[in-house]
Amino acid sequence: EPEVTQTPSHQVTQMGQEVILRCVPISNHLYFYWYRQILGQKVEFLVSFYNNEISEKSEIFDDQFSVERPDGSNFTLKIRSTKLEDSAMYFCASSETARAGETQYFGPGTRLLVL
Amino acid sequence: SQQGEEDPQALSIQEGENATMNCSYKTSINNLQWYRQNSGRGLVHLILIRSNEREKHSGRLRVTLDTSKKSSSLLITASRAADTASYFCAPGRGGSEKLVFGKGTKLTVNP
Repeated sequence: EPEVTQTPSHQVTQMGQEVILRCVPISNHLYFYWYRQILGQKVEFLVSFYNNEISEKSEIFDDQFSVERPDGSNFTLKIRSTKLEDSAMYFCASSETARAGETQYFGPGTRLLVL
Repeated sequence: SQQGEEDPQALSIQEGENATMNCSYKTSINNLQWYRQNSGRGLVHLILIRSNEREKHSGRLRVTLDTSKKSSSLLITASRAADTASYFCAPGRGGSEKLVFGKGTKLTVNP
């Protein structure tokens, strides 16, 4: 069964460094998402992406974040200058369409630790 | 807000018993989904029920939806230790593609 994959599974970085989290969505899906989950807290929406553009973003997704689909398969989340509070699990998801409540398929996540 | 609130926050049962989790929401919806998250892992889609449906089954899962009460329930029958996870509901509303998750119900199934 097709699945969303993410790399790396774990990333440790120093505060102020840039990190790039990578995702390979399911191949025929057109909509891509990033969510994050700080330890012990809710899963929070960050951004959705369609047709090479951001379609929706949350207040969390400020100027230090950016997303890109550099080729036909990868979808990346870049954090330009990491802060301690960026430590979290980051989940990528994809869906065939963006109809309300359309099933989103999640990857296993990247655990980011900022020291 | 289209966020769902799950209840109870935690549930501990013995293997073989049934587990019931509830979800309440505040706005009108087109559908509602349930997801499962094993500790530290990604979310797995379980089932989607549309606003014109009242009940839906998938294997050992049974979901009900009462749009007049703005509530849904997820029943897991004959639970197994492998069902131990957190369960989340995600109401879907027209015009928004993001999923909004609550705190979930943490289910523990004891062998």
